[in-house]
Amino acid sequence: EAGVTQSPRYAVLQEGQAVSFWCDPISGHDTLYWYQQPRDQGPQLLVYFRDEAVIDNSQLPSDRFSAVRPKGTNSTLKIQSAKQGDTATYLCASSYRGREQYFGPGTRLTVL
Amino acid sequence: QQKVQQSPESLTVSEGAMASLNCTFSDGTSNNFRWYRQHSAKGLEVLVSIFSDGEKEEGRFTAHLNRANLHVSLHIREPQPSDSAVYLCAARNNYAQGLTFGLGTRVSVFP
Repeated sequence: EAGVTQSPRYAVLQEGQAVSFWCDPISGHDTLYWYQQPRDQGPQLLVYFRDEAVIDNSQLPSDRFSAVRPKGTNSTLKIQSAKQGDTATYLCASSYRGREQYFGPGTRLTVL
Repeated sequence: QQKVQQSPESLTVSEGAMASLNCTFSDGTSNNFRWYRQHSAKGLEVLVSIFSDGEKEEGRFTAHLNRANLHVSLHIREPQPSDSAVYLCAARNNYAQGLTFGLGTRVSVFP
């Protein structure tokens, strides 16, 4: 069974640029999560979906971050006008009916 | 909001010696707990999930949960150099599916 896949694996931007991250969850998993993991910290939940619906986006900086999952499968997380403080690894995870979460390898973002 | 604290920040052990990691949480609202391992530049690998007080073993990894003391531990039996990684504790309650993580313990295993 294929695991959670993410792309790109790395991204380097100047402040003010935009970037999108893509996640393909495990087939059949209805719930998808995006976490932000700053260096030397634990992951922090940004947003999660059940099918195509956003269930909780309370920790998503809504002025510059957006996330979609239009068909309830793949998902895209976008940062408009990135800041140095956005430097982190962005992890995607998926689960079936809220059970065990399986994580992808992450996208490591550096904002210069 | 639930807070999760891990100790120690880092741990060095010899191959074959027992390694013990600790995690405390701020309140009793969480009802399930997980230990993950994260190798450098890789995703998280779940090691043990535990939902009730007591002990749960998964191979060389054993978790102990004591809800009254707001504490969960992880013991690694016969650690190997390939176990060198960051170990993360995570908690979850019924009201939110997202996990709350600690900062992690960096474990180094030397031959």
